[in-house]
Amino acid sequence: AQSVTQPDIHITVSEGASLELRCNYSYGATPYLFWYVQSPGQGLQLLLKYFSGDTLVQGIKGFEAEFKRSQSSFNLRKPSVHWSDAAEYFCAVGANTGNQFYFGTGTSLTVIP
Amino acid sequence: DAGITQSPRHKVTETGTPVTLRCHQTENHRYMYWYRQDPGHGLRLIHYSYGVKDTDKGEVSDGYSVSRSKTEDFLLTLESATSSQTSVYFCAISEGPLSSYEQYFGPGTRLTVT
Repeated sequence: AQSVTQPDIHITVSEGASLELRCNYSYGATPYLFWYVQSPGQGLQLLLKYFSGDTLVQGIKGFEAEFKRSQSSFNLRKPSVHWSDAAEYFCAVGANTGNQFYFGTGTSLTVIP
Repeated sequence: DAGITQSPRHKVTETGTPVTLRCHQTENHRYMYWYRQDPGHGLRLIHYSYGVKDTDKGEVSDGYSVSRSKTEDFLLTLESATSSQTSVYFCAISEGPLSSYEQYFGPGTRLTVT
């Protein structure tokens, strides 16, 4: 069975600092990997996704993520965080067959001036 | 923004009463989903639909039923609401299977069962 682990429940960073949010998955084959962001009181929005090919994926709002098969990880990064990046971030994994799809429990990001 | 609306946006109901939440889309996407979001659990899939009158169970389907009589509408029904169903419910849509297609989310419905 698939699973997704986001080990950090909450992260605080200073504005302008770099950011890395961790995501580990468990799946037998190469999964489809996603990062979504949820601003307070709103639904989720896709930041980026990985299906195959280049393991470094660029997304919206200056985010990127790197797929590392050997570590079963898909960590999200941003070189310089803005106050507007404060939100909840969800990693998700889908199987390449069927309709299996699971979200991680999320990482809440606080940005301090 | 994808055209997805949810109604009602907020609801307070008593234990044992039936509740129906509505999701309406204007994108003509084939797939529609209902999730619940709870602290410490992220989002969990309740039911999904892959076409008119075609639905299937998700991870946490017990106590919920769904119906889809038109492409644009997907209803979630709690036949007899319980306090454990207090949650925020999100509808989502996609052009293809959720495992590989981007999902577009509605604004959510906050349901409180007292």
